[in-house]
Amino acid sequence: EDQVTQSPEALRLQEGESSSLNCSYTVSGLRGLFWYRQDPGKGPEFLFTLYSAGEEKEKERLKATLTKKESFLHITAPKPEDSATYLCAVLNSGGSNYKLTFGKGTLLTVNP
Amino acid sequence: NAGVTQTPKFRVLKTGQSMTLLCAQDMNHEYMYWYRQDPGMGLRLIHYSVGEGTTAKGEVPDGYNVSRLKKQNFLLGLESAAPSQTSVYFCASSYSTKREQYFGPGTRLTVT
Repeated sequence: EDQVTQSPEALRLQEGESSSLNCSYTVSGLRGLFWYRQDPGKGPEFLFTLYSAGEEKEKERLKATLTKKESFLHITAPKPEDSATYLCAVLNSGGSNYKLTFGKGTLLTVNP
Repeated sequence: NAGVTQTPKFRVLKTGQSMTLLCAQDMNHEYMYWYRQDPGMGLRLIHYSVGEGTTAKGEVPDGYNVSRLKKQNFLLGLESAAPSQTSVYFCASSYSTKREQYFGPGTRLTVT
């Protein structure tokens, strides 16, 4: 069974304190890994897609990386507005169907 | 572009009542999805559609029905609501199953 595990469940940082969020996965055939940001009371907002090991994507203070077993979301010099829940999802293929499995998320709080 | 919109935003039902959630997208996406999000569970796929007039079951379809009469709309129905269906419901759409999904703002449903 496909599994996606995100750690830590919650992370508190001071403004400017860089850190990383982890998404480890077990899937039969990875077709892509997605990162989303979700603010309280809102729907997930797409951040990145990574398709193969070694791939990296950047957007402002965020950088996502992918290995064969896990993905990291690196946050450099975070600001309070980066506070949100970050969701990871993996896409695998089972025959002709594609299945997206979400992790439970990491709640990030950045204090000023 | 409005992206993905959902109505209503909030709803309270009594056990046994029925209701329909409406999702609309203006991105001309073929694929549409309904998810539910519960604390500690992550996002779980209820039903999805790969095009106008088509629907398919996801991970947790029991107690729900869907229809896709028009490409831009995807309806989720609850025929006889149960307290276990108390959740936040998200609609999403995508260009293809391999591409990122765009989410609506969600509907918070409480069944008493």
